[in-house]
Amino acid sequence: GQSLEQPSEVTAVEGAIVQINCTYQTSGFYGLSWYQQHDGGAPTFLSYNALDGLEETGRFSSFLSRSDSYGYLLLQELQMKDSASYFCAPHRDDKIIFGKGTRLHILP
Amino acid sequence: DTAVSQTPKYLVTQMGNDKSIKCEQNLGHDTMYWYKQDSKKFLKIMFSYNNKELIINETVPNRFSPKSPDKAHLNLHINSLELGDSAVYFCASSLRGSSGETQYFGPGTRLLVL
Repeated sequence: GQSLEQPSEVTAVEGAIVQINCTYQTSGFYGLSWYQQHDGGAPTFLSYNALDGLEETGRFSSFLSRSDSYGYLLLQELQMKDSASYFCAPHRDDKIIFGKGTRLHILP
Repeated sequence: DTAVSQTPKYLVTQMGNDKSIKCEQNLGHDTMYWYKQDSKKFLKIMFSYNNKELIINETVPNRFSPKSPDKAHLNLHINSLELGDSAVYFCASSLRGSSGETQYFGPGTRLLVL
């Protein structure tokens, strides 16, 4: 079967750190991407993990554990502009699975 | 220059009508996609084309017919529109359609069926 779980909503305070968790189950798994989508906008690529471990890009880091079918996106020094939806997106051999994403609310 | 463009941006139409959405990418990519995002933000692939050939058809009703005249264009024609077709439709592209590639999304077409 195929499944993808991430929280529907997360709230955090400006300047803080937030972690968005993701568990997935899919055949033909290649790696895990994260995409960001602002209201009214298009999804845009944030990161891709093909191997286990942590990938860091500026304030954002993404982690993958293939054995646990688990990953997370870590956002540091949160800014109001980080208010958006974040999609955990496992790659299969033929497509990317997106799901419903996590809506991140940031409080001043 | 816009990498992936879609027209129209908004589309309001009556049930039963036929409509088309156009997509163009200037990235030189081989693979293009259509996604549907519903009101709950669920983003799901509909079709993918690689160099004008259909690769993925995700059990989409046959009222939806994609057409790729060349590898830079992927259009979506929808017949007999239904209320449930109201959604945002995103076109996307990637270099070769290989696993692990980044997909680049167009701005979306907001379709409202009345």
